[in-house]
Amino acid sequence: RKEVEQDPGPFNVPEGATVAFNCTYSNSASQSFFWYRQDCRKEPKLLMSVYSSGNEDGRFTAQLNRASQYISLLIRDSKLSDSATYLCVVNIGTGRRALTFGSGTRLQVQP
Amino acid sequence: EADIYQTPRYLVIGTGKKITLECSQTMGHDKMYWYQQDPGMELHLIHYSYGVNSTEKGDLSSESTVSRIRTEHFPLTLESARPSHTSQYLCASGLEDRGLSGELFFGEGSRLTVL
Repeated sequence: RKEVEQDPGPFNVPEGATVAFNCTYSNSASQSFFWYRQDCRKEPKLLMSVYSSGNEDGRFTAQLNRASQYISLLIRDSKLSDSATYLCVVNIGTGRRALTFGSGTRLQVQP
Repeated sequence: EADIYQTPRYLVIGTGKKITLECSQTMGHDKMYWYQQDPGMELHLIHYSYGVNSTEKGDLSSESTVSRIRTEHFPLTLESARPSHTSQYLCASGLEDRGLSGELFFGEGSRLTVL
């Protein structure tokens, strides 16, 4: 089983739609959680951190459910520029390890 | 914009050649990483470093080697390139803060093709 699992998509949605991505993680010792965005043929960039109480940044809302070990990202009022792959990222936080990246969910927003 | 640079951006080379992919960052970050990513696929960690003279292998077995002689520089070397090494290699750096930080800054990547 992968440490971080995501639905690969693609999610094809019209402009203005609301779309939600889920991600599950297997290690209950995971300490911090993030969403990264990767445009086609570009490098990943941090979109937002995910806090226990949930957090919002403009049209983007991130939620964490530690009991069920999943993270979600909600995008409201989708724009064409939101088309990208969204990577769920987990930091186990013990030992000398790096972040663990999910395989990503591809979003295509259509006019 | 992140101050992390990779060269070359694109490299096409024949089997058996030795290659070095360069990565430099000017942010003073302790942590540096090399990830390998095939088109449309996930990132795989192949090497990481928590500081000068500290290097570790990552999750994905790789025939490449790395060195960390200076904080800002983390080159990756393949002694004898093979077609199976064809991939994109992404370098990243971040701050050392007991492993809780999530922000990694990535270079633009080095796309390697071995014929």
